[in-house]
Amino acid sequence: AQTVTQSQPEMSVQEAETVTLSCTYDTSESDYYLFWYKQPPSRQMILVIRQEAYKQQNATENRFSVNFQKAAKSFSLKISDSQLGDAAMYFCAYRGSQGGSEKLVFGKGTKLTVNP
Amino acid sequence: NAGVMQNPRHLVRRRGQEARLRCSPMKGHSHVYWYRQLPEEGLKFMVYLQKENIIDESGMPKERFSAEFPKEGPSILRIQQVVRGDSAAYFCASSTLQGSYEQYFGPGTRLTVT
Repeated sequence: AQTVTQSQPEMSVQEAETVTLSCTYDTSESDYYLFWYKQPPSRQMILVIRQEAYKQQNATENRFSVNFQKAAKSFSLKISDSQLGDAAMYFCAYRGSQGGSEKLVFGKGTKLTVNP
Repeated sequence: NAGVMQNPRHLVRRRGQEARLRCSPMKGHSHVYWYRQLPEEGLKFMVYLQKENIIDESGMPKERFSAEFPKEGPSILRIQQVVRGDSAAYFCASSTLQGSYEQYFGPGTRLTVT
């Protein structure tokens, strides 16, 4: 079974600085999708960024980028120019691509604090 | 275009009562997923449904929990004879065609069992 591990329960960053959140996963599949979700205090799950495993290029969305290392099964999230609104729980998630395996497998999350 | 709707947002039940959680997917979405989030935990998959079909219920507890997604109306997650351990946030997500990689989440229902 696939597993997702986030080894940093909490992280903090100064406003305008850069922070990297770690995620590793375990799978025997060669094709899959990886995601980072943000959960602010409102508890709404918000998709931050996605990465298709077959793409070598790292995904980027404005201030958010990933470092996808397929061989190492690592998928870290970098937040540049951190803003107070970035404070939230961040969850790494995996989804297989084989038929029927539509479910998302989540890590336990990293709580990000942004200090003014 | 309205997002995924869940109601109620908060639900309080006494031990032994039934809890019914509703999820209306985004317009045009025919796939619904239910996840449970215990305190200080990530989301755990429970069940994946299409209209009138349960596709994957590998995450559902064997007893007391059931889910449906009828041809008309919202998806329902039902928990019978609730216990304190059922207290959690329950999230619904929806997507379009099978294979679509993006699931859109609702705001969740926080169930408290007293």
